[in-house]
Amino acid sequence: QQPVQSPQAVILREGEDAVINCSSSKALYSVHWYRQKHGEAPVFLMILLKGGEQKGHEKISASFNEKKQQSSLYLTASQLSYSGTYFCGTEIRDNYGQNFVFGPGTRLSVLP
Amino acid sequence: KAGVTQTPRYLIKTRGQQVTLSCSPISGHRSVSWYQQTPGQGLQFLFEYFSETQRNKGNFPGRFSGRQFSNSRSEMNVSTLELGDSALYLCASSLAGITDTQYFGPGTRLTVL
Repeated sequence: QQPVQSPQAVILREGEDAVINCSSSKALYSVHWYRQKHGEAPVFLMILLKGGEQKGHEKISASFNEKKQQSSLYLTASQLSYSGTYFCGTEIRDNYGQNFVFGPGTRLSVLP
Repeated sequence: KAGVTQTPRYLIKTRGQQVTLSCSPISGHRSVSWYQQTPGQGLQFLFEYFSETQRNKGNFPGRFSGRQFSNSRSEMNVSTLELGDSALYLCASSLAGITDTQYFGPGTRLTVL
């Protein structure tokens, strides 16, 4: 039930755009996006809820297709500080109730 | 506002021992969630506590348990440690729970020998 993230890794030059995708085989109730830099804790980027509500940073955008159980994170005009591993976290319901399952991560490297 | 704090930051234990990790949430946050991060399995949700009650639980064996105190501080306990329990244990606090913005602590690095 772990969501699939694509691509696994991407290398960009400063100023270029990137899209990171997250898809699940389970019905999703919300999707969260986090960025983690090496040796640091994950940092919140965005939450997308069923029904279209979003909470997040102004410079980050994302979409959530509830029917396809997919979400995409859009990084535009990338900066060096965008480098890190991006995780999607998906809220699902299973035998244990409300569960939260992370994807394996997408490693993003932004070069000068 | 102080962030989420976790103690200890590093811990070395041997197989069969037990360990207790502590997490102090951001002031005013009533939800504390625990996660295990390993290179092989990635980030995995352990459980969430809200107002001293376990509200949600991931797919981990009963050796992993936790509790939350009236001041919202939380502890996680792992009994009968196995080599595979070596990981970074992260806690996150939020106002409303795992569907709300989560603020992560720096983590506790547990090594089981």
